[in-house]
Amino acid sequence: GQNIDQPTEMTATEGAIVQINCTYQTSGFNGLFWYQQHAGEAPTFLSYNVLDGLEEKGRFSSFLSRSKGYSYLLLKELQMKDSASYLCAVRRSSASKIIFGSGTRLSIRP
Amino acid sequence: SQTIHQWPATLVQPVGSPLSLECTVEGTSNPNLYWYRQAAGRGLQLLFYSVGIGQISSEVPQNLSASRPQDRQFILSSKKLLLSDSGFYLCAWRMQGVYEQYFGPGTRLTVT
Repeated sequence: GQNIDQPTEMTATEGAIVQINCTYQTSGFNGLFWYQQHAGEAPTFLSYNVLDGLEEKGRFSSFLSRSKGYSYLLLKELQMKDSASYLCAVRRSSASKIIFGSGTRLSIRP
Repeated sequence: SQTIHQWPATLVQPVGSPLSLECTVEGTSNPNLYWYRQAAGRGLQLLFYSVGIGQISSEVPQNLSASRPQDRQFILSSKKLLLSDSGFYLCAWRMQGVYEQYFGPGTRLTVT
C-alpha cells in the first residue's frame, strides 16, 4: 500500500514565502506530483519530480528526496490568488495510476 | 490540442436512483482514463482507471461501476445511489508514456 501525508491547513501572508511539505511511503516509487486546486474547480498540474533535487518554475519550486520519502512545494512572492488547496500525489512504477494525498488548504492573508 | 469534457456539471439525484456520468477526451488516442471522487473538503479518491477499451480496474469496492465503450469515452454508473455517493466527480486522462495527468471540469453530485 501507500501513505501520503501533508498538513491539512496553512496560512501565509501576501508577498511572503510558504513551504508545503509532503511525506510518502510507497513501494516502486516513480514520481511525485503537485497539483493546485481552487475551491469548486478541477486540479491543475504544477510540477512533477522523479529525481532528487529542486525543480524551479517561476514563483513555484518543488523538491524531492527519494531516500527520505519527502517532498515540498515552495511558493514565493505569494499572491491572493494562490489561496487554494495543494495536492501531493505519487505514481508507482508498476501501475498506471496516481494516488493523491488529502491536500493542504492554503489561505493567504493581506 | 487535447480537451476533456464531463457532463453534467451539476446533478441532484434522490437516494436509490441510477447514475450515469460521462467523460470524453478529444485530440488524443488510446489515453489512460481515470475517475476520481472528492468529498467536501477532502482529497481525491481514485475510483476506477482504464488503460484501454473494455479494460477497467477498480480501486475501491462500492456500488459504482465504470465502462469504456470507446477509446475516448469513460462512463461512471450506479444502479442505486447512496447518500455517501455525494461528491465532486472528476475524470482525468493521461497520454501513455507521459507523466502529466489532466482533469476535466468535474460533476458535482448531490444525493438527497
